[in-house]
Amino acid sequence: AQKVTQAQTEISVVEKEDVTLDCVYETRDTTYYLFWYKQPPSGELVFLIRRNSFDEQNEISGRYSWNFQKSTSSFNFTITASQVVDSAVYFCALSVEGGGNKLTFGTGTQLKVEL
Amino acid sequence: NAGVTQTPKFRVLKTGQSMTLLCAQDMNHEYMYWYRQDPGMGLRLIHYSVGEGTTAKGEVPDGYNVSRLKKQNFLLGLESAAPSQTSVYFCASSYLSGRDTQYFGPGTRLTVL
Repeated sequence: AQKVTQAQTEISVVEKEDVTLDCVYETRDTTYYLFWYKQPPSGELVFLIRRNSFDEQNEISGRYSWNFQKSTSSFNFTITASQVVDSAVYFCALSVEGGGNKLTFGTGTQLKVEL
Repeated sequence: NAGVTQTPKFRVLKTGQSMTLLCAQDMNHEYMYWYRQDPGMGLRLIHYSVGEGTTAKGEVPDGYNVSRLKKQNFLLGLESAAPSQTSVYFCASSYLSGRDTQYFGPGTRLTVL
């Protein structure tokens, strides 16, 4: 069975601060995929990134960056110079090949960015 | 290209009533899913489908039924609604395998009184 843990329930930062959202996963499969989704106050789920288990390269997209470390089973998400518009709930999720491609979600981290 | 759409956006039911939630996607995706989101619990999979005419149970299937008569549509039914089914329901679809991204609809907020 798969499991995703987001230990940080809520984080508050002041605008322009950097913030890291933690994600720890568990799976016995050797091929798996990790995702981050953003859920702004409007409620929709917005896809941010997908990584596969064979690609441990870190990724940067504008102010967003992701650090994937298989040795610690972590897939952390950093926002640099946070902005009020980054305020949202962020979900980390995991899927494996087969079994219907089901996503296992963490419980989410509520990020509040204040002026 | 509308992506994934859900009907209705909001609904209030009384205990024991039935209803059907409709999900439609125009991306020619094979896989479709129904999740529910409850405070502090993330999203949990209710049922899913790996193609037209197929359905399978997810993590929390009790009290729900689904049908996938057409590739582009995935229906979620509540035969006899209970207060415990008060939740936000999300539909998602993906092209094929685990490597593919699931794209979500806007959600349906259901309240059962």
